[in-house]
Amino acid sequence: GESVGLHLPTLSVQEGDNSIINCAYSNSASDYFIWYKQESGKGPQFIIDIRSNMDKRQGQRVTVLLNKTVKHLSLQIAATQPGDSAVYFCAENILGDYKLSFGAGTTVTVRA
Amino acid sequence: SQTIHQWPATLVQPVGSPLSLECTVEGTSNPNLYWYRQAAGRGLQLLFYSVGIGQISSEVPQNLSASRPQDRQFILSSKKLLLSDSGFYLCAWSRGEGTEAFFGQGTRLTVV
Repeated sequence: GESVGLHLPTLSVQEGDNSIINCAYSNSASDYFIWYKQESGKGPQFIIDIRSNMDKRQGQRVTVLLNKTVKHLSLQIAATQPGDSAVYFCAENILGDYKLSFGAGTTVTVRA
Repeated sequence: SQTIHQWPATLVQPVGSPLSLECTVEGTSNPNLYWYRQAAGRGLQLLFYSVGIGQISSEVPQNLSASRPQDRQFILSSKKLLLSDSGFYLCAWSRGEGTEAFFGQGTRLTVV
């Protein structure tokens, strides 16, 4: 669900390492999930999505994993690059609802 | 291709002054439209969404209102701004439920 009042957690990653960003959701009726990347001063950009009938989906250097049993979503970024430094948000949608609810977000900082 | 325009990029307004932020979408018809607000270092809070002309749903009670005078135009307004209205306002569109939302570049509003 929404955690708009919370300070964002942070993740510091060495360039070239893999990053794992986690997100917990609370509504078992959520059936569509999205990861967004937001760079400073810009709007969020779509990275990858997954529907509840899937456990895993891969894109270019990114993989999203969905564990419906524990209501957990993760984003894995392979070979993290300086350009990956940003805030990452997960978002969920419930079938029949027009709204996207966003998680608190994680600030990722890539160390050179 | 579809594009979303949001303006202005930054705005400084005195307390008690009116507000009008405009968002337009090109390249699609009958989009779902959204206004989000993001406080510094926080997540995204859904303020309003619209599934059609003249149809506005409000998510949180506040000092703001929204209107959709045309299919691809979404306006966020206030009659009298408060200091607490400061934030980063984001407009977004989607094709419907269970689809990703595409965001504009945002408006940084500072109420002084």
